[in-house]
Amino acid sequence: EVQLVESGGGLIQPGGSLRLSCAASGFTVNSSYMAWVRRAPGKGLEWVSFIYSNGKTFYAAAVKGRFTISRDNSKNTLYLQMNSLSAEDTAIYYCARDRRCSGDNCYTPWFDPWGQGTQVTVSS
Amino acid sequence: QSVLTQPPSVSGAPGQRVTISCTGSSSNIGAGFDVHWYQQLPGTAPKLLIYINDRRPSGVPDRFSGSKSGTSASLAITGLQADDEADYYCQSYDTTLSGYVFGTGTKVNV
Repeated sequence: EVQLVESGGGLIQPGGSLRLSCAASGFTVNSSYMAWVRRAPGKGLEWVSFIYSNGKTFYAAAVKGRFTISRDNSKNTLYLQMNSLSAEDTAIYYCARDRRCSGDNCYTPWFDPWGQGTQVTVSS
Repeated sequence: QSVLTQPPSVSGAPGQRVTISCTGSSSNIGAGFDVHWYQQLPGTAPKLLIYINDRRPSGVPDRFSGSKSGTSASLAITGLQADDEADYYCQSYDTTLSGYVFGTGTKVNV
C-alpha cells in the first residue's frame, strides 16, 4: 500500500526553525516527484515546494529562501527544513506524491496520495 | 492569493445535483493546463477526486464528474449524500507564478 506519514510539527517561536519529515512506503521517494502543500487556519490549500526525481527543487514565492526540500534515499523519507518562521507559516503541512503521467502520456501534475498532515504553529 | 476562483459554498438537499465552478485565466486553465479536484473531509487530508479534467481514480463513485472548457472547469456531484459534506478544491498550474495553484475552495453543505 502506498502511504505517507508526516512528523516533526509543533509549536515554535517566531524566527525559529523546524524540520518536517514524511516517511514513504509502497514506493521509492528518490524515483518520484514529491511535494509539500499547506493549509493555514481558515484558508485554502497552498503549494509550498516540490522536488523532481533528479533532485531539482522548486519553491513558492512565500517560502523561497527560507524553506528547503530534500530527501534521504536510505530512509525513503522527504524533508522540509523551515527557517525564519513567522505567524504566516502557521498551517497544517501535508506531503504528497506528485503524479504527472498516466499510461504513455504526461499531463499537468496532480497530487496523490497525501499524508495525514502535521501541524506547525508559530507563536510566542 | 489564489488565481483559481471557486464559490465559497454550495448547498443541496440529499439526492440533488450540485456543481462547483473553478475560474482561471489565460496563464493557467486557459493555457491548456489540466485541472484536478480534491475532496477534504473535516479533519482529514485532501483526497484526489478527479484528475486530468474528467478522470476518476479507482474507488471514486461515478456520482462525481469533472469537465473543463476555456478558462474554467467544473465539478458536478449528483445524488448528493450527507457524507459529501466537505471542502472541494480545484488545482492546476500557472505560468505567471511558475508553480502549482489551488482554487479558493468550496464548502459543500448537504
